[in-house]
Amino acid sequence: SYVLTQPASVSVAPGQTARITCEGDNIGGISVHWFQQKPGQAPVLVISHDTDRPSGIPERFSGSNSGNTATLTISRVAAGDEADYYCQVWENSRDAVVFGGGTKLTVL
Amino acid sequence: QLQLQESGPGLVKASETLSLTCSVSGDFISTTSYFWGWIRQPPGKGLEWIGSVYFTGNTFYNPSLKSRVTISVDTSKNQFSLRLNSVTAADTAVYYCARPEGLLPSSPFHHWGQGTLVTVSS
Repeated sequence: SYVLTQPASVSVAPGQTARITCEGDNIGGISVHWFQQKPGQAPVLVISHDTDRPSGIPERFSGSNSGNTATLTISRVAAGDEADYYCQVWENSRDAVVFGGGTKLTVL
Repeated sequence: QLQLQESGPGLVKASETLSLTCSVSGDFISTTSYFWGWIRQPPGKGLEWIGSVYFTGNTFYNPSLKSRVTISVDTSKNQFSLRLNSVTAADTAVYYCARPEGLLPSSPFHHWGQGTLVTVSS
C-alpha cells in the first residue's frame, strides 16, 4: 500500500512561514490534496491537485509537489492557522484514498 | 447549498454491526455524477477513508476494511449508508460523510458532514 509520511508537528512564530511536508514514493507524479482540521471540526480542503486553492481559502495557503515530497506552505502564519493538516492522494493501483498521518501546526 | 448530516446509534456493542446514514440536502444523489464517501477518525488520531459509492451503487472500499464494509445508496430518500460488521474497540471513531466537487473517485472531498461519534462497547 502507498504510504504518506508527515512530520508529527511543526512550530512557527506568528508572521513567519510554515512548511508542512508529505513524503511518498514518486509523489510528484500524482495529485496531492491538503486538509486543515481544527479541534472538534470537520476537515476543510485548503489545497487540491497540488496547487489549487478552493474558493474562500486565503492566498497565504499554497502547495507544491515534486519528486518524493509535496509541501503545503502557509505564509504570514496567524494564530487562527493552528490546526492539524493532512495530505491525501488517490492510490491508482488499489483504487483507494490514502491520507497522511497528519501534522499538528503550532503557532508559538 | 449542499449539506450532509450523519445519523445513527452512538453506541454499538462489540461484534455487532455499525450502521450509519448520511442525509443529503441541497443536491440529489440520483441526478449528479459524484462519488459519496465515508471517512472516520479515531479519537486523537488521523483520518481514514472507509469507502465511496456512486449513485448507481458502484463502490470503492479501503482494502483494509473491505471484508467488513458495505456502502449503499437510497436515491428515493436521498441518502447513502455505511454498514461495518464485526466491530471492535478499534472501530470507535468520529464518522464523517463527504462529497467531492469533482466527478472522479479520486477527487478530494470538498463537502463534509459535521461527523458523528460512534463508540464500540464491550
